Amino acid sequence: KAGVTQTPRYLIKTRGQQVTLSCSPISGHRSVSWYQQTPGQGLQFLFEYFSETQRNKGNFPGRFSGRQFSNSRSEMNVSTLELGDSALYLCASSLLVEGPYEQYFGPGTRLTVT
Amino acid sequence: AQSVAQPEDQVNVAEGNPLTVKCTYSVSGNPYLFWYVQYPNRGLQFLLKYITGDNLVKGSYGFEAEFNKSQTSFHLKKPSALVSDSALYFCAVNYGNMLTFGGGTRLMVKP
Repeated sequence: KAGVTQTPRYLIKTRGQQVTLSCSPISGHRSVSWYQQTPGQGLQFLFEYFSETQRNKGNFPGRFSGRQFSNSRSEMNVSTLELGDSALYLCASSLLVEGPYEQYFGPGTRLTVT
Repeated sequence: AQSVAQPEDQVNVAEGNPLTVKCTYSVSGNPYLFWYVQYPNRGLQFLLKYITGDNLVKGSYGFEAEFNKSQTSFHLKKPSALVSDSALYFCAVNYGNMLTFGGGTRLMVKP
């Protein structure tokens, strides 16, 4: 079974631009979560989607948004990029929503904002 | 609020020696605890989880973790370290399908 895939793997953007990252979950997985990883803040939860609905949201500004499609694929968008948005963005999928199921992570998208 | 702490930024062990990576947690209710490993330029890989039951949980690649409720700890262990175990290890608590991670511990296994 193919793992979680994320595209693109690397991205360089300029401050003020916007960016869209894509995530395809493991086949059959319906919950998709996004995390931001930085050296300073570590791994932080961004948001989680299930059945095209955002179920949970972390403590990030409104510039960070996401959506999920009917096939469970998900995208996240960051508008008006800031230098501090440079990070590894990780997508994770899990089989079910309720219960402590393990999440499976993709390789991440490395975003650099200049 | 749910939180986990990894008190050591780095752990150094010699190949063949046992290793321990420490994690303590603070949760309200039942703790759902996880260990993940991250290799360079890779995402996180699931190692093991504790939901309920036996306090010793066995996971992938020969790793195991011991849940201790009285000490609110969930330490990761392996009887004999390999050089290939060198990586970044994260402890996490799951609440409402949101993972809250510790700061990570870099494990260095030297030949």
